Amino acid sequence: GAVVSQHPSWVICKSGTSVKIECRSLDFQATTMFWYRQFPKQSLMLMATSNEGSKATYEQGVEKDKFLINHASLTLSTLTVTSAHPEDSSFYICSAQNPRRSSYNSPLHFGNGTRLTVT
Amino acid sequence: GNSVTQMEGPVTLSEEAFLTINCTYTATGYPSLFWYVQYPGEGLQLLLKATKADDKGSNKGFEATYRKETTSFHLEKGSVQVSDSAVYFCALSDEDNAGNMLTFGGGTRLMVKP
Repeated sequence: GAVVSQHPSWVICKSGTSVKIECRSLDFQATTMFWYRQFPKQSLMLMATSNEGSKATYEQGVEKDKFLINHASLTLSTLTVTSAHPEDSSFYICSAQNPRRSSYNSPLHFGNGTRLTVT
Repeated sequence: GNSVTQMEGPVTLSEEAFLTINCTYTATGYPSLFWYVQYPGEGLQLLLKATKADDKGSNKGFEATYRKETTSFHLEKGSVQVSDSAVYFCALSDEDNAGNMLTFGGGTRLMVKP
């Protein structure tokens, strides 16, 4: 079964509102979670690395005040798209790392993604 | 639904050996196919991609050909280096499937010994 749960799968919001996306690790404690964004017909782009108990590390070009990341517990990281605009419409996906299993085949587990549409 | 299946690892090779990591997929539409790489302690990076049948993606000596007839996208490199040690993920993006835009395989760890 899924080891990383991402919610919601779909969200449609009006321009100017904020949207929160949750990423939960279900059966392990994830000290590190990654947030990605995918534009249509393009590859995945890393937005930020979320570290439990500390500030997220953002990739160059990603607005920190626009995409708020909170990793308040070892099983939950949230991405909030603030004051959303149509150009923020995209597919957002998180992944979580199980440090205890990092020596095994697949240390990264992915959520199912969130399709955000801003009208 | 869509799915991606990769060979299980870890794959352990000596430097300069030939690498193949198998990847097969099932999709309802006409997906784009990707290989991503995760180096230790880092997030995913795109390695290469192919958007239609018979396309060959290549980067850093790695290649993969989109084979629609065998629904495969195997990753190959003629001569691996220690610095290639990482986890490799095969993925598909099916933009005709509104429910799930990106599907990943389980990942394959490659370990290259000097």
